[in-house]
Amino acid sequence: EVQLLESGGGLVQPGGSLRLSCAASGFTFSNYAMNWVRQAPGKGLEWVSFISASGYSTYYADSVKGRFTISRDNSKSTLYLQMNSLRAEDTAVYYCAKDPYSGSYYVDHFDYWGLGTLVTVSS
Amino acid sequence: QSVLTQPPSVSAAPGQKVTISCSGSSSNIGSNYVSWYQQLPGTAPKVLIHDNNKRPSGIPDRFSGSKSGTSATLGITGLQTGDEADYYCGTWDSSLSAGVFGGGTKLTVL
Repeated sequence: EVQLLESGGGLVQPGGSLRLSCAASGFTFSNYAMNWVRQAPGKGLEWVSFISASGYSTYYADSVKGRFTISRDNSKSTLYLQMNSLRAEDTAVYYCAKDPYSGSYYVDHFDYWGLGTLVTVSS
Repeated sequence: QSVLTQPPSVSAAPGQKVTISCSGSSSNIGSNYVSWYQQLPGTAPKVLIHDNNKRPSGIPDRFSGSKSGTSATLGITGLQTGDEADYYCGTWDSSLSAGVFGGGTKLTVL
């Protein structure tokens, strides 16, 4: 059974940093691209970032480009999101989401989602 | 403002059919596959349709998807109260090099 478990969320002050993790199990993590998707309170879904299976290709939403960095450790089956220079508008539940195809180099769709971790940016 | 445009809300009676539209452009829907997600209150999204019209295993055939040009449509037949949820379309935008979603549509089963 595929499981994605996010962690690392919490309350942070504007301008601060946070690193989210997503522990994956139930599939061969190193074969699949992964994504981060967020949802602000009461708002819709917003795609944040994509990383290919090897980690060679990454993409970011304009809203986080230059501030967030996606990475992965295939030996630990873990996805990361390093978030710097956080703003109030980054407050959201952050989901990690798996790409369904081996070898994807851009987002196709998301076949499995974690439960999410809440990030609150506030003073 | 979302790159993909969905109606904010739709409603229909139990047993009836509803469609949800998703409008985009040549750089997103017009050149890439569309997927649809259901988000029940307080839960993570779940994929209903991928590659425009394919249902993952376990998704009932009451749910269907189609695409024409730069628009896509999700259809739900035999509406049930358990279908009340937010529905999102999504795709890749080749010009932005980014994933994009619609703003979401809240389905109410009256």
